[in-house]
Amino acid sequence: DQQVKQNSPSLSVQEGRISILNCDYTNSMFDYFLWYKKYPAEGPTFLISISSIKDKNEDGRFTVFLNKSAKHLSLHIVPSQPGDSAVYFCAASDGTSGTYKYIFGTGTRLKVLA
Amino acid sequence: DVKVTQSSRYLVKRTGEKVFLECVQDMDHENMFWYRQDPGLGLRLIYFSYDVKMKEKGDIPEGYSVSREKKERFSLILESASTNQTSMYLCASSVTLGWAPYEQYFGPGTRLTVT
Repeated sequence: DQQVKQNSPSLSVQEGRISILNCDYTNSMFDYFLWYKKYPAEGPTFLISISSIKDKNEDGRFTVFLNKSAKHLSLHIVPSQPGDSAVYFCAASDGTSGTYKYIFGTGTRLKVLA
Repeated sequence: DVKVTQSSRYLVKRTGEKVFLECVQDMDHENMFWYRQDPGLGLRLIYFSYDVKMKEKGDIPEGYSVSREKKERFSLILESASTNQTSMYLCASSVTLGWAPYEQYFGPGTRLTVT
């Protein structure tokens, strides 16, 4: 049972345009969310986080939006650059569980075309 | 900068061998995690530890064990490697500050092939 879903395995976007990566979750207890970027043969790199007390968090070109009622979050990259081409994972955690563990989605491969 | 290192980038082992994957972090983090990454399945948690000598099963612990004798080091052990354990193995660590689950920092990964 996949509690965190990234339904788009891949996405292609022109350089300079907006990339929107989506993530859905099923567990209403999740209250912390992360996005990671992963290049081939490297470990994932933390990008941005959001907690359930917010509906938006911004860091430079990256913005994460959280819609708690829809159990949906999205990562916006504006403007997209060729170096953003990577696999993006969302992850969710139940902060009340005390385990500090995250459940990861299956990833979306983003390709930014020059 | 947090640094998480893994003992090998690439490893080839035979079926039935005992395999040790080592992970070391240098930021005095309390929590450490082992994942495997497979195409179409994302990152799946094998085991994690929130303190020395403490361990908790993740979502797919079968066929694996772990050891945490020192705070900075977390080892993953494949007692008898099988071909379905061919995968990318990723180690991560995170800090404990209150009850919030902070972001995890990952090592570069070990690509294990079992033949």
